[in-house]
Amino acid sequence: LAKTTQPISMDSYEGQEVNITCSHNNIATNDYITWYQQFPSQGPRFIIQGYKTKVTNEVASLFIPADRKSSTLSLPRVSLSDTAVYYCLVGEAGGSYIPTFGRGTSLIVHP
Amino acid sequence: DADVTQTPRNRITKTGKRIMLECSQTKGHDRMYWYRQDPGLGLRLIYYSFDVKDINKGEISDGYSVSRQAQAKFSLSLESAIPNQTALYFCATSEGYSGANVLTFGAGSRLTVL
Repeated sequence: LAKTTQPISMDSYEGQEVNITCSHNNIATNDYITWYQQFPSQGPRFIIQGYKTKVTNEVASLFIPADRKSSTLSLPRVSLSDTAVYYCLVGEAGGSYIPTFGRGTSLIVHP
Repeated sequence: DADVTQTPRNRITKTGKRIMLECSQTKGHDRMYWYRQDPGLGLRLIYYSFDVKDINKGEISDGYSVSRQAQAKFSLSLESAIPNQTALYFCATSEGYSGANVLTFGAGSRLTVL
């Protein structure tokens, strides 16, 4: 099971771009990288998933270097409503993967 | 209606009482999970089920039991609640072996044990 490491907390200001990096040095060939967002007292919500290179959707971008040992979640022009905890998970699609959460990164966006 | 529905949303009970938290889903997913979250911490896995006949313990299963009554229903029971089981509980689902393993969570059940 690939272990992930991400910063405990980050601070930003409205309108800035925020990049949260996750390290996963022992990622396996079949593993995907998935990010979730959690607001206080709510269940986590899927943001984005990728395998390699770059993935972009209406919420965020995910950058994955060629060696796949890390990934960066990029939130463009954050607003106060982006204040949340962000979790990086690594595991195979399908198969016997059991999703395991770390403590995530607590992002606080200031006015 | 929500894809994953948890009941009750809030429950206050006393030490020693039996409590059941229920989860139902309309996603048609095979896999279901129960997680627990304590303040300032991430989610910890209690039990998971890959299909109706498959039940597995997670990292913190002591003091809990589960029942997978149907593909759509997965219940968590506390046979004799204790105060340190006060937490926010989340049910989640994901597709099976051919899926992307993206989790869909319920809104959570906040349990307080006095």
